[in-house]
Amino acid sequence: GAGVSQSPSNKVTEKGKDVELRCDPISGHTALYWYRQSLGQGLEFLIYFQGNSAPDKSGLPSDRFSAERTGGSVSTLTIQRTQQEDSAVYLCATPGTAVNTEAFFGQGTRLTVV
Amino acid sequence: SQKIEQNSEALNIQEGKTATLTCNYTNYSPAYLQWYRQDPGRGPVFLLLIRENEKEKRKERLKVTFDTTLKQSLFHITASQPADSATYLCALSGRDDKIIFGKGTRLHILP
Repeated sequence: GAGVSQSPSNKVTEKGKDVELRCDPISGHTALYWYRQSLGQGLEFLIYFQGNSAPDKSGLPSDRFSAERTGGSVSTLTIQRTQQEDSAVYLCATPGTAVNTEAFFGQGTRLTVV
Repeated sequence: SQKIEQNSEALNIQEGKTATLTCNYTNYSPAYLQWYRQDPGRGPVFLLLIRENEKEKRKERLKVTFDTTLKQSLFHITASQPADSATYLCALSGRDDKIIFGKGTRLHILP
């Protein structure tokens, strides 16, 4: 696609439910990041996929969070047994095709856990 | 642990003046430093990238400096305009491509 697309744009869920957030990256971009941004805060790194290498999961806050990237394209971030503190905007980004170029961000998914 | 510090308080600048934002980092030796702009409800948008062996980079009204000795980058917007009002994020990356962001500084350009 022409840009990074995330869905849904907004998600309201009840505490304890599982949610799946989707990211469609720019075609041909092999790397993909997930970040979380709480209200008024900066971007918190969650996970990084690079080609066929094992993902860097060092930013995932708990074992309730997981992510996968199928076929090196679409990525899904899953949060199990959601808690109110999970409420935030979840952003997906893909860097350019050259090493260490800028990251292109999606518009984000605003998750609200009630 | 790696730490990136940006002015947490909002910065108010009169229209037409130069706005200067600061990014300091510790426990890190980045190969690249980037600046992004973020508007409310939107994802960050890339502005400039500067490499560790570069001291300064310019793009139109924007200028970025990178001092690896001081572990600091300065981001300047000259002839500032109300449309420049946004949150500006500093980001660092090493040779592994992993990008780490600061919390950002909110800039208000006053007409």
